[in-house]
Amino acid sequence: EVQLVESGGGLVQPGGSLRLSCAASGFTFSSYWMSWVRQAPGKGLEWVANIKQDGSEKYYVDSVKGRFTISRDNAKNSLYLQMNSLRAEDTAVYYCARVELTYDSARFDYWGQGTLVTVSS
Amino acid sequence: SYVLTQPPSVSVAPGQTARITCGGNNIGSKSVHWYQQKPGQAPVLVVYDDSDRPSGIPERFSGSNSGNTATLTISRVEAGDEADYYCQVWDSSSDHNYVFGTGTKVTVL
Repeated sequence: EVQLVESGGGLVQPGGSLRLSCAASGFTFSSYWMSWVRQAPGKGLEWVANIKQDGSEKYYVDSVKGRFTISRDNAKNSLYLQMNSLRAEDTAVYYCARVELTYDSARFDYWGQGTLVTVSS
Repeated sequence: SYVLTQPPSVSVAPGQTARITCGGNNIGSKSVHWYQQKPGQAPVLVVYDDSDRPSGIPERFSGSNSGNTATLTISRVEAGDEADYYCQVWDSSSDHNYVFGTGTKVTVL
């Protein structure tokens, strides 16, 4: 059974930093692209970042470029999101998601339960 | 950037059919995926590549995609189908951008 378990969320002041983790199990982690998707309170879904199987390619939504860094440790079956210079608008539930990628399609086929990040003074 | 537009809400009586649209410029040329999200829960993939269903998803969920509109159809609606639904496409030409629709709240009357 595929499982994705996020951790590391919490309350942080504007300008602060936080590191999210996602522990994966039930599948060959090193064979999949992985992503972070977030959802602000009462709002819709927003893709944040994704990373290739070997970590050689990383992509980010414009609003987090230069502030967030996605990484992975295939030996530990873990995905990470380092978030720096946090802003109030980064407040959201952050989901770890597995990406099923083909030559012309990409979908999120499994999701974690999410971890809440609150940026407030 | 690519925009996907959904109606904010759809209401349907039990046993009837709900249709949720997802509008985008020439969306028929892209693969569309649909997610169901119940309150306080993570999204669940219910339809992928326009009309395929993951294992475990009831046949009542179906999809189509043509022109500028993709549609998720829920037949024989049940109370448990009440949720938010999001469409999603992948724009491979723009830094691997994943685009979600604005979301539709389905209410079972």
